[in-house]
Amino acid sequence: AQSVAQPEDQVNVAEGNPLTVKCTYSVSGNPYLFWYVQYPNRGLQFLLKYITGDNLVKGSYGFEAEFNKSQTSFHLKKPSALVSDSALYFCAVRDRSTDKLIFGTGTRLQVFP
Amino acid sequence: EADIYQTPRYLVIGTGKKITLECSQTMGHDKMYWYQQDPGMELHLIHYSYGVNSTEKGDLSSESTVSRIRTEHFPLTLESARPSHTSQYLCASSGTRGRVYNEQFFGPGTRLTVL
Repeated sequence: AQSVAQPEDQVNVAEGNPLTVKCTYSVSGNPYLFWYVQYPNRGLQFLLKYITGDNLVKGSYGFEAEFNKSQTSFHLKKPSALVSDSALYFCAVRDRSTDKLIFGTGTRLQVFP
Repeated sequence: EADIYQTPRYLVIGTGKKITLECSQTMGHDKMYWYQQDPGMELHLIHYSYGVNSTEKGDLSSESTVSRIRTEHFPLTLESARPSHTSQYLCASSGTRGRVYNEQFFGPGTRLTVL
């Protein structure tokens, strides 16, 4: 069965420091991986995706993610965090048999001034 | 912002009422989805549709029903609301260009409170 895991419920980082939000996956075959962000009282916003090609994927708002096949990971990163990055972040993998997205449990990112 | 809309944004109703949550998208996407989001933030897929006249139940059992009579419209109905239905409901859609799978686009959500 396809699944993703986000091992951290919350990540705290000081403004200006690099941030990493972790995601590992378990799929059969090549994965389609996604990151979404959710701000309070809003729907999810797409950040970036990995389908094929370069392992380093660049997305919106200065975020990037690195696909690592040997470690089955797709961690979200940003070189310099902003207070406005504080939000809920979801990793997801596409179930290729049904076209559904399987979401992780989410990680709350808190950036302190 | 994606062109997917949900109404109402907030709804407070009494137990036993029938309600319909509206979801519309103008992107011509064939696939649409309804998610229920816990206060603790996990997302659960409750319904999805591959196209007109197609509806499927999701991973989480739900007492709600959906219909897909038009491509752009995917309403969710609760015949008799209960306090256990209090939650945030998110609608999403996705399409495919050729053989490339595209990401899901989400609406702003409806926060439902049943008293």
